[in-house]
Amino acid sequence: RKEVEQDPGPFNVPEGATVAFNCTYSNSASQSFFWYRQDCRKEPKLLMSVYSSGNEDGRFTAQLNRASQYISLLIRDSKLSDSATYLCVVKPRHGGATNKLIFGTGTLLAVQP
Amino acid sequence: DTAVSQTPKYLVTQMGNDKSIKCEQNLGHDTMYWYKQDSKKFLKIMFSYNNKELIINETVPNRFSPKSPDKAHLNLHINSLELGDSAVYFCASSLFDSSGNTIYFGEGSWLTVV
Repeated sequence: RKEVEQDPGPFNVPEGATVAFNCTYSNSASQSFFWYRQDCRKEPKLLMSVYSSGNEDGRFTAQLNRASQYISLLIRDSKLSDSATYLCVVKPRHGGATNKLIFGTGTLLAVQP
Repeated sequence: DTAVSQTPKYLVTQMGNDKSIKCEQNLGHDTMYWYKQDSKKFLKIMFSYNNKELIINETVPNRFSPKSPDKAHLNLHINSLELGDSAVYFCASSLFDSSGNTIYFGEGSWLTVV
């Protein structure tokens, strides 16, 4: 089983739609969770961290369910500029402090005019 | 002002050659990384250095040798290149602590081995 699993998509949605991505992780001791965004032929960039209580940043809402070991990202009122690959990222807990991030393979979102 | 810069951006080379990719960050971070993204878009960590010391070394062929002359630089040298080495190599940096600091990536180096 992969450490971080995502539906690769593509998710084709019209402008203005609401779209949700899920991600599951295998290591129950994982300590930090993130969503990164990667545009075509560009580097990944942090979109938002994911907190246990859930958090919102404008049109984006992230949620964490530790019991079921999944993370979600909800995008409301989709814009053309939201078209990108969304990477679910998990930081496992190690004996010492490290910054090793485990990336999912990403979910491709294509917002259509 | 590019925070994490890596060169070259594109590299096409023949099998068996040796090549290097350079990376520099001006963010004052103490930890740097090399990630590899293959044709299936899977992004996987290769190495991590903290203050010039190797702290993460994933299962990577020993043809790949990272070198960190100081905490602002992490170079990647690849010997005897193989077709399967074709990928995008991303350098990244962050602060080293346990709270999950943001990792900043360079723009990537597109390596094609022919």
